Amino acid sequence: KNEVEQSPQNLTAQEGEFITINCSYSVGISALHWLQQHPGGGIVSLFMLSSGKKKHGRLIATINIQEKHSSLHITASHPRDSAVYICAVKRADTDKLIFGTGTRLQVFP
Amino acid sequence: DAGVTQSPTHLIKTRGQHVTLRCSPISGHKSVSWYQQVLGQGPQFIFQYYEKEERGRGNFPDRFSARQFPNYSSELNVNALLLGDSALYLCASSRVGTVHSYTFGSGTRLTVV
Repeated sequence: KNEVEQSPQNLTAQEGEFITINCSYSVGISALHWLQQHPGGGIVSLFMLSSGKKKHGRLIATINIQEKHSSLHITASHPRDSAVYICAVKRADTDKLIFGTGTRLQVFP
Repeated sequence: DAGVTQSPTHLIKTRGQHVTLRCSPISGHKSVSWYQQVLGQGPQFIFQYYEKEERGRGNFPDRFSARQFPNYSSELNVNALLLGDSALYLCASSRVGTVHSYTFGSGTRLTVV
């Protein structure tokens, strides 16, 4: 079983829909990252969370440390949000990131 | 301020050859990590270097090696290339601390034929 699991693997939406991507992990962590990867491959860091909730524009990320679960929400989705969204955790005992396999989001006009 | 820069952006090599990938971190970042992302999968940790010393190594064979230079830039070397080494190689830099953020480069796409 992977240490970081994401769901769903693939997600399609109509423009304007509210989107939720989930991440569960099984290890002790010091931080959780939500990343966005576009088809060219480059990765952009969206959020780093160690507790609570963060908001940036139409993106909201939450984390529940007790339940080892995080969610990424996109409000009023837009076709330009189409990308792979990756959850990555930094284990408490090392400096490396452990990545989920990503959620491929396609938003249609 | 420049972001994390990786070179080359694309590379085609033949089985058995050797390859060197380069990464320059953000100014002020002393830690560099390397990740391999095979098509359709999430990135896998290869190495982390901090202050020119190896801080962590993933489950990769000894054909993979890396080093960090005094200016904190880093090289990833892969010897005796296999077809399965074809992947996107990502570099991330960070300030090491209790909790720190990572900045990723755009990656080097390596194709082994």
